[in-house]
Amino acid sequence: DGGITQSPKYLFRKEGQNVTLSCEQNLNHDAMYWYRQDPGQGLRLIYYSQIVNDFQKGDIAEGYSVSREKKESFPLTVTSAQKNPTAFYLCASSIQTGDETQYFGPGTRLLVL
Amino acid sequence: KNQVEQSPQSLIILEGKNCTLQCNYTVSPFSNLRWYKQDTGRGPVSLTIMTFSENTKSNGRYTATLDADTKQSSLHITASQLSDSASYICVVKAGNNRKLIWGLGTSLAVNP
Repeated sequence: DGGITQSPKYLFRKEGQNVTLSCEQNLNHDAMYWYRQDPGQGLRLIYYSQIVNDFQKGDIAEGYSVSREKKESFPLTVTSAQKNPTAFYLCASSIQTGDETQYFGPGTRLLVL
Repeated sequence: KNQVEQSPQSLIILEGKNCTLQCNYTVSPFSNLRWYKQDTGRGPVSLTIMTFSENTKSNGRYTATLDADTKQSSLHITASQLSDSASYICVVKAGNNRKLIWGLGTSLAVNP
């Protein structure tokens, strides 16, 4: 998975609870991304970050938040405002946002109890 | 509207056989097209990238073609192996806003 780790592999969320998905990379990449994958739909971009302490909303940012305090780490928080959080979440990184070779982590499957 | 459509949706072939997956796009302006392989429960892995001037590119048993005039791409898999069982996703990058448009993928099952 190209030096990107995601944890946990499975995560369960209770109603009204915030949960945080971890993403770490040791590729020294500047850019990092969070995608959501649902059955029957293509990957959808949630947030991306081009550099430390900077991040931008993607196509479906509502109900999610991120931080980029370190180059290696880009955690995603799924807030209680996200009403349909059950999905497969993928983190990716690339050398820069202009470089389309994105390296993906193994993913985290989030389920709502 | 920028769209990427892949066909077939799913495909079952016998080990050792060849197959071809299709990708049609309406993304304009076009920047490049990439094929990813995604094993079940894993993240996608890049197979090839095609730019406007490239017609064919190979990566081992995988050969991608691009016809920029008809806005079509194909991924040909030769002498399939059980490990080729996966979803194959076509992604097109728009040339203006640099946005990636992801296809839904073709699910390939290679049976012994």
